[in-house]
Amino acid sequence: TQLLEQSPQFLSIQEGENLTVYCNSSSVFSSLQWYRQEPGEGPVLLVTVVTGGEVKKLKRLTFQFGDARKDSSLHITAAQPGDTGLYLCAPHYTGGFKTIFGAGTRLFVKA
Amino acid sequence: DTAVSQTPKYLVTQMGNDKSIKCEQNLGHDTMYWYKQDSKKFLKIMFSYNNKELIINETVPNRFSPKSPDKAHLNLHINSLELGDSAVYFCASSQVEGNEQFFGPGTRLTVL
Repeated sequence: TQLLEQSPQFLSIQEGENLTVYCNSSSVFSSLQWYRQEPGEGPVLLVTVVTGGEVKKLKRLTFQFGDARKDSSLHITAAQPGDTGLYLCAPHYTGGFKTIFGAGTRLFVKA
Repeated sequence: DTAVSQTPKYLVTQMGNDKSIKCEQNLGHDTMYWYKQDSKKFLKIMFSYNNKELIINETVPNRFSPKSPDKAHLNLHINSLELGDSAVYFCASSQVEGNEQFFGPGTRLTVL
């Protein structure tokens, strides 16, 4: 059974601040996806990381995949109210349910 | 055109009733999923299904059953609804398991 943790569970910050969200597992992932879910909607994919140590940037969002492929982080620079939402990591494993979603980080950015 | 659609958007029903939620995807994907998202926003996989394999989360009660009339549809049938079944149910699809999942808008089920 894979153990997956996301932290923090909840984050409330002022516009312009930076933040980092973490996703950690006891198992090795073959790849990992980050999704964002806005109220009343389904999750939408932000990025997929595949290679250990990989870094991807999406405007003010920076995603990193750990060297050992057991963890990932999402860093947001100069957060804006439009970044408000639920951020979910979804590692891809090789057996059983191949993709499991983390419990999520609820981000609220105040103007 | 909506990629993944679900009906109904809202469903309010009494305990003990049987209900179905429909899902359709027009993306030509091979794999479809059902998720339950509770009030704490935890997104829990219930089933994944392609035309060859159904994977069932063993924690899901057998009152829940997926039915797929064809590759583009995966409906969720729920028997003998209970209060604890109240949640938002999301359908999703992907080309293959592990690829990007496209989610429907969700169905908010309320059991009274």
